Amino acid sequence: ELKVEQNPLFLSMQEGKNYTIYCNYSTTSDRLYWYRQDPGKSLESLFVLLSNGAVKQEGRLMASLDTKARLSTLHITAAVHDLSATYFCAVEDNAGNMLTFGGGTRLMVKP
Amino acid sequence: GAGVSQSPSNKVTEKGKDVELRCDPISGHTALYWYRQSLGQGLEFLIYFQGNSAPDKSGLPSDRFSAERTGGSVSTLTIQRTQQEDSAVYLCASSLMTVSYGYTFGSGTRLTVV
Repeated sequence: ELKVEQNPLFLSMQEGKNYTIYCNYSTTSDRLYWYRQDPGKSLESLFVLLSNGAVKQEGRLMASLDTKARLSTLHITAAVHDLSATYFCAVEDNAGNMLTFGGGTRLMVKP
Repeated sequence: GAGVSQSPSNKVTEKGKDVELRCDPISGHTALYWYRQSLGQGLEFLIYFQGNSAPDKSGLPSDRFSAERTGGSVSTLTIQRTQQEDSAVYLCASSLMTVSYGYTFGSGTRLTVV
């Protein structure tokens, strides 16, 4: 059974600081997804990582994937308040049928 | 349609009643997924439909839960004899063929069982 773990579960940080969210998973997979969820809203796709070594960047967020370590990171650079949200990673099963989600990281960026 | 549409957006029901939640996927998306998100928690997989294949029901938590997808498009998730622990946001997502094309999520149905 594929298990996906994120840490930290909660992150409070000051504006302007850098931090990294980690996503570990238990079985082999080459594809990983990051989503953002604002309070009371649905999930918005951020990044799709489709191979070992993949790196994607959008604004202050950068995601990477190491399939050998079964690890993805979401790095936040010079955080701003607008980045406050819950971030989920999700791993695709090998059959390409579905995603298993991590528990989410609730990020709060304080002015 | 332009996005995944779910209805109702909010539903309050009495314990023991049956409820139906509806999902209208993006036109042409053959894969449809139901997830459940309890307050402050991650997403729990419920059921997956792909084209005309038999659905993957492995995530349904009990036999009170069932889902169908008519004509390869609209899906209905039915919860019979609702319990308070069924209170959650039920999210539907659709994808073109397989998940590798990415999920698009609907806005969810917030179910409250009182």
